[in-house]
Amino acid sequence: NAGVTQTPKFRILKIGQSMTLQCAQDMNHNYMYWYRQDPGMGLKLIYYSVGAGITDKGEVPNGYNVSRSTTEDFPLRLELAAPSQTSVYFCASSYSTGAKTQYFGPGTRLLVL
Amino acid sequence: SQKIEQNSEALNIQEGKTATLTCNYTNYSPAYLQWYRQDPGRGPVFLLLIRENEKEKRKERLKVTFDTTLKQSLFHITASQPADSATYLCAAMNNAGNMLTFGGGTRLMVKP
Repeated sequence: NAGVTQTPKFRILKIGQSMTLQCAQDMNHNYMYWYRQDPGMGLKLIYYSVGAGITDKGEVPNGYNVSRSTTEDFPLRLELAAPSQTSVYFCASSYSTGAKTQYFGPGTRLLVL
Repeated sequence: SQKIEQNSEALNIQEGKTATLTCNYTNYSPAYLQWYRQDPGRGPVFLLLIRENEKEKRKERLKVTFDTTLKQSLFHITASQPADSATYLCAAMNNAGNMLTFGGGTRLMVKP
């Protein structure tokens, strides 16, 4: 079991460029989440998905898009990158019932210059 | 709005002592509170979960309490070790049951 995997580990983008952060899980979890974490701060939810084909906005969705075509994959798209999107991005997954304890990936560090 | 608050100041303690971290929540009544550990450069890892009808939960050297009157959870690490040094995050499910709200985390430093 690989758990939750994320690629790339680190990326530098120029302002206005676009990219997709990849996330995959092999635990057959229905729920998946994208968070960002700024230095010294907590996690802020960007988008989440309760199953294939279903996504919804979290606390800070502006500037991002997601899709969920399979149970396993939940990519996060950044369009027109801005310096304010410099952060560490974490993907997580959970079962759909109970406390929804989350399993996190190792994170993608993104720097927008 | 629903808020989870943790002491943002780092907690420095001596090895062997008990570390106590605080998590306060406002404007809702979560059915569960969860605690996660996060090491530098890594994703959070789940440690413990406590339900609203449980006063206390233990796992090895870890203990979590849940006081619904005070709207507070305390996280204790007994006989602390330098390897316990990390940031500890508190999280609670929102009322709709579809999102976890995380506190800002408290950094614990255990000195030998």
